[in-house]
Amino acid sequence: DADVTQTPRNRITKTGKRIMLECSQTKGHDRMYWYRQDPGLGLQLIYYSFDVKDINKGEISDGYSVSRQAQAKFSLSLESAIPNQTAFYFCATSDRRQARQGGGYTFGSGTRLTVV
Amino acid sequence: AQSVTQLDSHVSVSEGTPVLLRCNYSSSYSPSLFWYVQHPNKGLQLLLKYTSAATLVKGINGFEAEFKKSETSFHLTKPSAHMSDAAEYFCVVSESPSYNFNKFYFGSGTKLNVKP
Repeated sequence: DADVTQTPRNRITKTGKRIMLECSQTKGHDRMYWYRQDPGLGLQLIYYSFDVKDINKGEISDGYSVSRQAQAKFSLSLESAIPNQTAFYFCATSDRRQARQGGGYTFGSGTRLTVV
Repeated sequence: AQSVTQLDSHVSVSEGTPVLLRCNYSSSYSPSLFWYVQHPNKGLQLLLKYTSAATLVKGINGFEAEFKKSETSFHLTKPSAHMSDAAEYFCVVSESPSYNFNKFYFGSGTKLNVKP
């Protein structure tokens, strides 16, 4: 099984619909992140969470919300999807102890979301 | 301001020839640097990382990168390209503005095409 699992892998939804993307991890990491990937823009941080009670906005949080249901689960919601939210979405995890040494992320395989 | 610049959006090489993917960064802190690879419709995989140890870093699949502080560069190289190296590559900078918090900044990506 993958260390970081994202569901669904692909989703097509209509404008105005609410959609939730889910992420779960078996790494035991305390930190989880949601990123959005658009062609030519790299990855942009939407939200991040250092633990269940610590959730922070990233660079592009407008139109998104998150929920950290447990240390291992971090979901991203689009309350009312719009076409310019069509993108690839990645969940990532990291560990506080590794952060002190500049440790990297473990990424999920991504969710391709299309809003029509 | 912190930034990561990948100097080429597309690089095309012939199989068996060297690969050079260029990355320059700016940082207010002593950064850690990473290269990630993303194959089509896949998640991001860590290739290698620099965290203030040896300036020449060896990664997976024959890739390596050299940290040059004077040039603020972290270019990715491979002596001989394989067809399986065709993917998108991301340079990432991690900074630690406080003791146990690090922020990640992604480059916009370089697509590597390998010709037979």
